[in-house]
Order: sequence, then structure tokens, then C-alpha cells
Amino acid sequence: QKEVEQNSGPLSVPEGAIASLNCTYSDRGSQSFFWYRQYSGKSPELIMFIYSNGDKEDGRFTAQLNKASQYVSLLIRDSQPSDSATYLCAVNSWVDSSYKLIFGSGTRLLVRP
Amino acid sequence: NAGVTQTPKFQVLKTGQSMTLQCAQDMNHNSMYWYRQDPGMGLRLIYYSASEGTTDKGEVPNGYNVSRLNKREFSLRLESAAPSQTSVYFCASRGTGSGNTIYFGEGSWLTVV
Repeated sequence: QKEVEQNSGPLSVPEGAIASLNCTYSDRGSQSFFWYRQYSGKSPELIMFIYSNGDKEDGRFTAQLNKASQYVSLLIRDSQPSDSATYLCAVNSWVDSSYKLIFGSGTRLLVRP
Repeated sequence: NAGVTQTPKFQVLKTGQSMTLQCAQDMNHNSMYWYRQDPGMGLRLIYYSASEGTTDKGEVPNGYNVSRLNKREFSLRLESAAPSQTSVYFCASRGTGSGNTIYFGEGSWLTVV
């Protein structure tokens, strides 16, 4: 069973702070990793994806990947109340003869004004 | 460009009734998926279709059937609804290749009483 683990939270940070969201995965063969944001009552929307070890930056968001340690993280700089949502980590794994995205259960982020 | 469209958005069923959730995508994607999402459980794969004419079971297929009608459409059927099937259902699609991500429909809220 290939697994993706996230702390359910809530992670509470003050407005303007850096929010750090973490995810670990079990499949060493995974090649691509995704972060989705999901507002309450809405569908998940893609924020970032990362394939290579290291950091990838997009605006206020930075994804970090460490394949040796099997973790991927998402940093949100200058957090805003509008960033309050559940963040889902997803890992692309080869399962039953096809690639499938395995999702973590999500971390709820609360940004306090 | 509508992306992934699913209907209905809301439905209330009585135990034992049947219904079909419809899904269509206009992105010419080969792969389509049905997920369910329960509080604190994350997204769980019910069924998927890697290409037109093929369907396979995911993590939680019991009580469901699917039909990949053509490349655009992938329906999910509940033959005899049970209260345990009360959930939010998301249809999704994905292009080919290991890196391509999944795009979700807006969700269908199903309550079985």
C-alpha cells in the first residue's frame, strides 16, 4: 500500500508569517509531486508541482522536495487570511499498471488576521 | 473551456435507490477518475479509466459501477444506495504521461437517508 502522510492540523499562523506544510510518502519510485488547495465546499485546485530535488518557487509559494528523505513541503510566505484552506499533497505512483495520484488527507491551514 | 463538468451538484437519495453521476471533460484527456471525499479521510479513488473502453477498480469500489461511454464521458452508478455512501464525489481527468496532473470537477454532494 503506497501512502502519503500529512498532519491534519489545523496549522494556525498569523497574517504575514510563513506557513510550512509537510508531507511524507512511502513510494521511493515516485517521480512527481503536487500540492492542491481546497477551500471548504470546493474542489481541489492545483497550486504547484515539483519533479526534481530542491526548491521550486512560484510567487509566494515554494515547494521543496527531498527524495532521499521522502518528503515534500510547501512554504507560503506572507500568509494571508485568504490562504486559509486545506492543502492536499499528492504523489504520482505506479500502481496496478498505471500512474495514479495518491492523496494525503490534507492539512488545514488557518491564517489569523 | 469548461474543463471537467459533473452533474448533479446535489442529490438526496433514499436507501436502496439507484442513481448515476455524470461527468464530461473537454480537455481531450485519456484518463478519468471518480473519487469520494469524506471528512478527515482525504480523497479516495473509487474507479478509474486509463483510456476509452477500459475501467479499473480503485481503493473503494464496492457498491459502485462505472461506464466510460466515450473519451469525454465517465459515469458513476450507485445501484442500491446506502447511508455509508453519503459523501462528496469528484470526477477528474488527466492527460498522458507521469507528470500530468489531475483536474477536478466541482463535486457532487450526495446524501443517502
